[in-house]
Amino acid sequence: QQQVKQSPQSLIVQKGGISIINCAYENTAFDYFPWYQQFPGKGPALLIAIRPDVSEKKEGRFTISFNKSAKQFSLHIMDSQPGDSATYFCAASLNAGGTSYGKLTFGQGTILTVHP
Amino acid sequence: EAQVTQNPRYLITVTGKKLTVTCSQNMNHEYMSWYRQDPGLGLRQIYYSMNVEVTDKGDVPEGYKVSRKEKRNFPLILESPSPNQTSLYFCASSLDRQNIQYFGAGTRLSVL
Repeated sequence: QQQVKQSPQSLIVQKGGISIINCAYENTAFDYFPWYQQFPGKGPALLIAIRPDVSEKKEGRFTISFNKSAKQFSLHIMDSQPGDSATYFCAASLNAGGTSYGKLTFGQGTILTVHP
Repeated sequence: EAQVTQNPRYLITVTGKKLTVTCSQNMNHEYMSWYRQDPGLGLRQIYYSMNVEVTDKGDVPEGYKVSRKEKRNFPLILESPSPNQTSLYFCASSLDRQNIQYFGAGTRLSVL
């Protein structure tokens, strides 16, 4: 059962364009929504994260938009650069407590290619 | 340097031959976890540990074992590997409720 669904699977964008990756979740108990960036041969690294009490969070060229009622969140990369080419994973985490502490559920991943 | 170290990075083995992938973190993190990454499926959690001697199953625990005898180490054990366990494996650790997980560089396992 895939509790976090991510789309698209792959995305090609020209340099300077906007990259948009979408995720939808099912479990309303999720209370933390991070995005991870993974370069080839490396482990994923936290890029940006949001909690459901805000609708948007921006860090530099990266923005998370969060729609609690629709149970969706998305990553926007403005002015995309070739160095942004990587695999991006959205994730969601359950409320802490009991044995659920820190358990992350990941989306399927999006391979982003930014052409120069 | 704060890091999560996995060994080996690459491993080719045969069906049924027991193997262990080690994971060590130097950040004094309480929480550690193992994931496998497969194309089109993202990262799926195998096992996790909230502290020493406290472990629990993730989403795909079948065929795997873990132990947490020391805070810094969290080895992944495949008692009898099968070809469907061919995958890219990641160990991760985190300090607290913020769930910022730090990942190792990965172990690519092939079971023939």
